[in-house]
Amino acid sequence: EPEVTQTPSHQVTQMGQEVILRCVPISNHLYFYWYRQILGQKVEFLVSFYNNEISEKSEIFDDQFSVERPDGSNFTLKIRSTKLEDSAMYFCASSVRQAGEQYFGPGTRLTVT
Amino acid sequence: QKEVEQNSGPLSVPEGAIASLNCTYSDRGSQSFFWYRQYSGKSPELIMSIYSNGDKEDGRFTAQLNKASQYVSLLIRDSQPSDSATYLCAVWSQGNQFYFGTGTSLTVIP
Repeated sequence: EPEVTQTPSHQVTQMGQEVILRCVPISNHLYFYWYRQILGQKVEFLVSFYNNEISEKSEIFDDQFSVERPDGSNFTLKIRSTKLEDSAMYFCASSVRQAGEQYFGPGTRLTVT
Repeated sequence: QKEVEQNSGPLSVPEGAIASLNCTYSDRGSQSFFWYRQYSGKSPELIMSIYSNGDKEDGRFTAQLNKASQYVSLLIRDSQPSDSATYLCAVWSQGNQFYFGTGTSLTVIP
């Protein structure tokens, strides 16, 4: 069964460094998403992406965040200058249609020290 | 702020019983509703989607939607210890964002 994959599973970085989180969505899906979940808190929407552009973003997704689909399979989330409060699980998800069922990857645990 | 509210629990039921999980949402224009299961340290796993008022059954799971009351529920019949997890209600809002509730922790006691 097709699934969303994410790399790395765990990333440790120092405050102020740039990180890139990678995702491979399910191949026939057209909508891609990033979420974060701070430990013990709820899953929060960051951004949705369709047709090579951002279709919606939350207040969390400020100028330090960017997303890209550099090729036909990968979908990346870049955090330009990490802060301690960026420490969280980051989940990628994909769906066939907007407002449809989203399937989540296993997540990347980001630890900022 | 679009809100999705769930009782955080914990909810404990004996094995074989029915577990009932509830969710309310604030955006009256929402059209798509989902239940996810999340084991500790893992990602959300889709259980069911529901788009129309009424009941939708899939195996041991039944989702119920009442748009007039802005209420979604999930029933788990014949609960198993492996059902012990946090259950997340998620709503696709009119603003094209996906909002999750904080989740209800369910423990099924053997």
